[in-house]
Amino acid sequence: GDSVTQMEGPVTLSEEAFLTINCTYTATGYPSLFWYVQYPGEGLQLLLKATKADDKGSNKGFEATYRKETTSFHLEKGSVQVSDSAVYFCALSDFGGSNYKLTFGKGTLLTVNP
Amino acid sequence: GAVVSQHPSWVICKSGTSVKIECRSLDFQATTMFWYRQFPKQSLMLMATSNEGSKATYEQGVEKDKFLINHASLTLSTLTVTSAHPEDSSFYICSAGQFFGPGTRLTVL
Repeated sequence: GDSVTQMEGPVTLSEEAFLTINCTYTATGYPSLFWYVQYPGEGLQLLLKATKADDKGSNKGFEATYRKETTSFHLEKGSVQVSDSAVYFCALSDFGGSNYKLTFGKGTLLTVNP
Repeated sequence: GAVVSQHPSWVICKSGTSVKIECRSLDFQATTMFWYRQFPKQSLMLMATSNEGSKATYEQGVEKDKFLINHASLTLSTLTVTSAHPEDSSFYICSAGQFFGPGTRLTVL
């Protein structure tokens, strides 16, 4: 079945440091890939997505590139801020059209210190 | 962007009672919605797929008689936790399309 593997957390960085959170996936078809962010006590917010190979999703300084050859979708940000502290989830949807049945990774807690 | 709401945002109930959680898509129609459960510091576990006008599809290991799902309209799905027990305490999150609701924290005493 489908699965998503994220790097183990927690990740602690200083403000303005470079961030990488690794994500690899296993899927039977050609999935769409997502990064979601969850701030403390809140629900999930879509951060970015990519729907086909070599697509780059980007938002709020975060970006991730859909790499089919390595089945990866690593999240990066060049300079993190304290406000980026949250849990980040990588996810995939292996269904076409508007069916967003998602398989999630375990999440990575990011803490950014001033 | 599209918004999904949930109500209530939190609820505390006594063991043995039932609790209904609503999920609404506010500015779009959703023939399919999803219900997830999240334990503290863990990932989201898909519980069921809510299908407008038909029965929900439950994931393996999820009791359909305990977690009743009704998708009566294109903008509303409800999850009812029947005869709740302390082990049902969790964070319940719905989604429609790629958008998620803010979640409902259920505490069963």
